[in-house]
This record gives sequence, structure tokens and C-alpha cells, in this order.
Amino acid sequence: QSVLTQPPSVSAAPGQKVTISCSGSSSNIGNNYVSWYQQFPGTAPKLLIYENNKRPSGIPDRFSGSKSGTSATLGITGLQTGDEADYYCGTWESILRAGFVRFGGGTKLTVL
Amino acid sequence: EVQLVESGGGLVQPGGSLRLSCAASGFTFSGHDMHWVRQATGKGLEWVSTIGTAGDTYYPGSVKGRFTISRDNAKNSLYLQMNSLRVGDTAVYYCARAGPVDTATMDVWGQGTTVTVSS
Repeated sequence: QSVLTQPPSVSAAPGQKVTISCSGSSSNIGNNYVSWYQQFPGTAPKLLIYENNKRPSGIPDRFSGSKSGTSATLGITGLQTGDEADYYCGTWESILRAGFVRFGGGTKLTVL
Repeated sequence: EVQLVESGGGLVQPGGSLRLSCAASGFTFSGHDMHWVRQATGKGLEWVSTIGTAGDTYYPGSVKGRFTISRDNAKNSLYLQMNSLRVGDTAVYYCARAGPVDTATMDVWGQGTTVTVSS
């Protein structure tokens, strides 16, 4: 079971908006940046959102990120069939004096 | 072009060892923390290890004591020495570059190399 909790799946129609949640705790999301990754089958993950709400060059503004307290949200507007993929949140966690990278379990997006 | 290319994957018996390599190009390798992340077939991403620019290392409990991450800045290369391999270590292994501000941000990924642990 992942330290960060994501819904296993979400779905919406083309053109609609969808949100994917990522829930954690004060030791991870609550005190660290959140990033989001998109992964198509058989390919490496790709950075979609970093430092909670920033988009790397080339990522369309249909993708957005936000963070509040110990939760983060990825939003995708104007859904396209090409957005069908797995999405993962990630963050750093500090426990005592050790550091860990944490990923959510992943969310499969279906564009109906 | 910023690029990461992994190599060294293959088939190994349980209890065996394997050394993965990741060749970096197109950026100042010594200036970035680096990660290894793995993904078993049909499963999610699992963090394997991180090495800082100063050589500090981090591991999850699942691999601590068995895996060793290292880097050679002169060769722009990242390594993962995997010992005492288990069937559960079977996965695609990716190397990834950490972002300049947040270590946990992975802004560049390699294509992955497949490790299969089986008798």
C-alpha cells in the first residue's frame, strides 16, 4: 500500500474536466513539493507538474496542479483521447533523519 | 539534448548480483541529485534509491543493505549495484534526474532497463 493515496481510476468524456487527488500526511505532502507524472503503456514516466503547480516547458496549460495541506490535486481540462494514461503523484518524505521519495499508487485515466 | 540511457539489465538467478549503469548527456551531471526508480509489470512506480551531489545516499527499506547507488561524475554515469537479488526485484529500472530545486522532482527519465530475477 502506497504512502500517498490516489484513486485507482477516473474517467470522463472528451472535452470535459477531470481531477486526480493525492492524499498524504504532514511528513510528506504537508511539508514538501508535489510533482505529477504521466505514463503511457510501455514508456517511461514523464514529468507533468513540479513544485506543486509549475509546468515544464512543452506541457499544455490544460494540465494544472494544486496543493492544500496534506493533499494535492492534478487537474486536466479539455480532455482528449490522447490523455488516456496512468498518472502518479510524488513527493519527498522526512522521517526522523532519513529521507524517502514517495509515489502514489497511480491513477488510470479513461477518456470515454 | 538532455538524455539518460540505462544498461546492464538481464536475467539473473535469485541470490545473484547485477550492476546497472546510466549514461547521462546534455547537462551538468555533477550538479544534479540522481534517482533509480523501478516498476514491476502492471504495478506502480517504486523508488529504489537516490544519490546527492555530495554523494549522500538514500534507500527504502526494501533494498537497503542489498543495493548500492553510486556515481562517477568524471564519466557522467550513475550506477546501481544490486546484490542478493530476489524474485520480487523483477522490474523495469529507470534512472531519473532530480530537479534543481526539489530533490523528489524527476524531470528527465531514461528509457529503462529490464531486470528479471528467476531460476
